Amino acid sequence: TQLLEQSPQFLSIQEGENLTVYCNSSSVFSSLQWYRQEPGEGPVLLVTVVTGGEVKKLKRLTFQFGDARKDSSLHITAAQPGDTGLYLCALGAGNQFYFGTGTSLTVIP
Amino acid sequence: GAVVSQHPSWVICKSGTSVKIECRSLDFQATTMFWYRQFPKQSLMLMATSNEGSKATYEQGVEKDKFLINHASLTLSTLTVTSAHPEDSSFYICSAREGGRSYEQYFGPGTRLTVT
Repeated sequence: TQLLEQSPQFLSIQEGENLTVYCNSSSVFSSLQWYRQEPGEGPVLLVTVVTGGEVKKLKRLTFQFGDARKDSSLHITAAQPGDTGLYLCALGAGNQFYFGTGTSLTVIP
Repeated sequence: GAVVSQHPSWVICKSGTSVKIECRSLDFQATTMFWYRQFPKQSLMLMATSNEGSKATYEQGVEKDKFLINHASLTLSTLTVTSAHPEDSSFYICSAREGGRSYEQYFGPGTRLTVT
């Protein structure tokens, strides 16, 4: 059972464009994390959101947690080639930890 | 930040042999460690959760007799792939969670396993 669905699955854009990645769940969750992963490496934590409606900014990245705490979005402004990677949302459920389906982003110079 | 290491970073083994992957938390005590498997351009799939000193909890569809997990100490967990087959070739990633921090976990750099 996939708890978290991400969209889009693949995204290829030109440098300088903006983009939004979505993470949706049918269940309410207490906290959600966003990770970025480069090929051959482990995921790196970008942010943790815990409060419904919360918005966090990390340079050109804006993370939003839905009011109902069932969805989240990641918006990247003026994408750069260095943003290329696999973006993953993740949530903890009890003692388990599950990742979303992932969004593979390619930023073309 | 907290650091998690994995060893080896890549391994090639012959079909039918076993291979052990180590996951270590270097500067904190990990009461819980997670093992994931990842195929190219896909997300991480949780294989099992292990707590120090107790048996691992395997996700549905993961063979516990094939993927042996041992969390012998608060800084070390091992994953042994027994009687490996080419379909076991994958990227294996561990993560560790510090006791008391319910949602923070730290990932290792992954181990690339190729079974020939």
